[in-house]
Amino acid sequence: EVQLVESGGGLGQPGGSLRLSCAASGFIFSNYAMSWVRQAPGKGLEGVAIIGASGFSAEYTDSVKGRFTISRDNSKNTLFLQINSLSAEDMAIYYCARPMGGLMTHAFDVWGQGTVVTVSS
Amino acid sequence: EVVMTQSPVTLSVSPGERASLSCRASQAVSTNLAWYQKKPGQAPRLLIYRASTRATGIPARFSGSGSGTEFTLTISGLHSEDFAVYYCHQYNSWFTFGGGTKVEIK
Repeated sequence: EVQLVESGGGLGQPGGSLRLSCAASGFIFSNYAMSWVRQAPGKGLEGVAIIGASGFSAEYTDSVKGRFTISRDNSKNTLFLQINSLSAEDMAIYYCARPMGGLMTHAFDVWGQGTVVTVSS
Repeated sequence: EVVMTQSPVTLSVSPGERASLSCRASQAVSTNLAWYQKKPGQAPRLLIYRASTRATGIPARFSGSGSGTEFTLTISGLHSEDFAVYYCHQYNSWFTFGGGTKVEIK
């Protein structure tokens, strides 16, 4: 079964850091680009970051550039999102998602269940 | 950034009726558009990609149309499990989502 399972969310302090993980199974992880998408409370979906299959290319939405880093370990079938300088605007459910066809930009056909990031002092 | 605008924000429909949801892009995205269904506490579910291709396992009552800047998701004969929030998503340039349309029971 194709599956994505996120972890690492929780309570972070303003200005602090969190590292999210997404464990993939049921498909050849190294063949696919991967992405993080978030949903803030009461809001819609927002694309956060995307990384190519090899891990050499990555793109970010403007609001997280310089603070977030997307990375992957293809030997462990795991995707990461390092979040630094946490702010209240980062509070959201963070989903990892797989673009179809191995492309950097495509529809997302597989999603995890999400991990919740809360920011509070 | 390509801004996606969905309308209406809320659509009240009776079970068995037809629902038409609109999505407009601020610039042309060809047919690089997808639709998702989202229920509380669940991950988004891919319904349509490439503007009109149903994803695996999606019932035929869901159909998508459009290209360029104007897109429509049609649900023919709403079932009880179809009441949810629907998002469009363009992947022509970076990737952005619309604000969502909530389909509620009338």
